[in-house]
Amino acid sequence: EAGVAQSPRYKIIEKRQSVAFWCNPISGHATLYWYQQILGQGPKLLIQFQNNGVVDDSQLPKDRFSAERLKGVDSTLKIQPAKLEDSAVYLCASSPLRGADTQYFGPGTRLTVL
Amino acid sequence: QKEVEQDPGPLSVPEGAIVSLNCTYSNSAFQYFMWYRQYSRKGPELLMYTYSSGNKEDGRFTAQVDKSSKYISLFIRDSQPSDSATYLCAMMDSSYKLIFGSGTRLLVRP
Repeated sequence: EAGVAQSPRYKIIEKRQSVAFWCNPISGHATLYWYQQILGQGPKLLIQFQNNGVVDDSQLPKDRFSAERLKGVDSTLKIQPAKLEDSAVYLCASSPLRGADTQYFGPGTRLTVL
Repeated sequence: QKEVEQDPGPLSVPEGAIVSLNCTYSNSAFQYFMWYRQYSRKGPELLMYTYSSGNKEDGRFTAQVDKSSKYISLFIRDSQPSDSATYLCAMMDSSYKLIFGSGTRLLVRP
């Protein structure tokens, strides 16, 4: 079974530029999550999708971050404009259902904002 | 106060040692308790999952949950250099939202 795929793996941008990350979840997984992991911290949930609907985006900075999940499969996370404090690893995870033991993480995209 | 507190380490032990990793939490609504392992430049992978108080064993790994003290532990027996990684505790309430600790870096020396 293929895992969660993410691209790009690394991205370096200047502040105020825009950037987009892509995630392809495990086939058949209904739930998709985007997390932000700042160096030395644990992952923090940004947004959760159930199929193509948003379940929780309470911690998403909506003035600059947006996310979509078209057709309930792939997802993109966008930052526009980026700030220095957005430097982090952005992790995508998926699970077949909303549950406690079933989140599978991708390798992440490491973003550096200069 | 953070909802989940975890000592960042690093924790350095010799190969074969017993490792004890711990987290404390403040939210009594947490029902599910997990330990994830994260290798450098990789995503977290689930190691152990427990529901409510008690112990759970899986090979060299034992997870303990003490809800009365709001304290969870992960023990690694016969530690190996391949166990060197960051260990993240995570907790979930009935909304299924995962709250992670900051992670403990573990180094097992050959």
